[in-house]
Amino acid sequence: DIQMTQSPSTLSASVGDRVTITCRASQSISSWLAWYQQKPGKAPKLLIYKASSLESGVPSRFSGSGSGTEFTLTISSLQPDDFATYYCQQYNSHSVTFGGGTKVEIK
Amino acid sequence: QVQLVESGGGVVQPGRSLRLSCAASGFTFSRNGMHWVRQAPGKGLEWVAVIWYDGSNKYYADSVKGRFTISRDNSKNTLYLQMNSLRAEDTSVYYCARDLGSATSCLDYWGQGTLVTVSS
Repeated sequence: DIQMTQSPSTLSASVGDRVTITCRASQSISSWLAWYQQKPGKAPKLLIYKASSLESGVPSRFSGSGSGTEFTLTISSLQPDDFATYYCQQYNSHSVTFGGGTKVEIK
Repeated sequence: QVQLVESGGGVVQPGRSLRLSCAASGFTFSRNGMHWVRQAPGKGLEWVAVIWYDGSNKYYADSVKGRFTISRDNSKNTLYLQMNSLRAEDTSVYYCARDLGSATSCLDYWGQGTLVTVSS
């Protein structure tokens, strides 16, 4: 199975900060990567698919980049609603795997 | 609007069985693959299984292979997960999720989840 490694596991930031989360795949997944946001007690929400395509309705401050094994999720200016846990997910193979998550906390 | 509503969760003893359901509405159910994803308390997301839009293919995580069965009834717009030989480590919130396409494995809509607790 393809392993997905996210870093950092926790990130402390302030409103207005630029935030970057990294996801590494154990083998090439081309651009078959998605990013999700999850708030406590809620279901995950799709933000980005195919590494850099913004899901409809997601604010443009979210962006994704990368291909192969290295990917990033960037929030250009952190807003109060963005404090949450973020997961990457590879869908290069039928056996889907998620990263371990990055919790974005208030500094 | 797309809605996915899971049901069937609860407390079950180790070794017993449980069947989860996911009622879908707001889209043409027979056109999309469907998935189950679970999340143990305080832990990350773990993909469980996928079934293609027409039920022709099914894939499972190694952790549930041989014990869980995913199925769908396109005439009832309903997804199922039959869980047998349950273990304590299967305790999780189980989410059903819609595939972005017929079988891409990118998940664009999720239900609210149903909690399964395996305990004696």
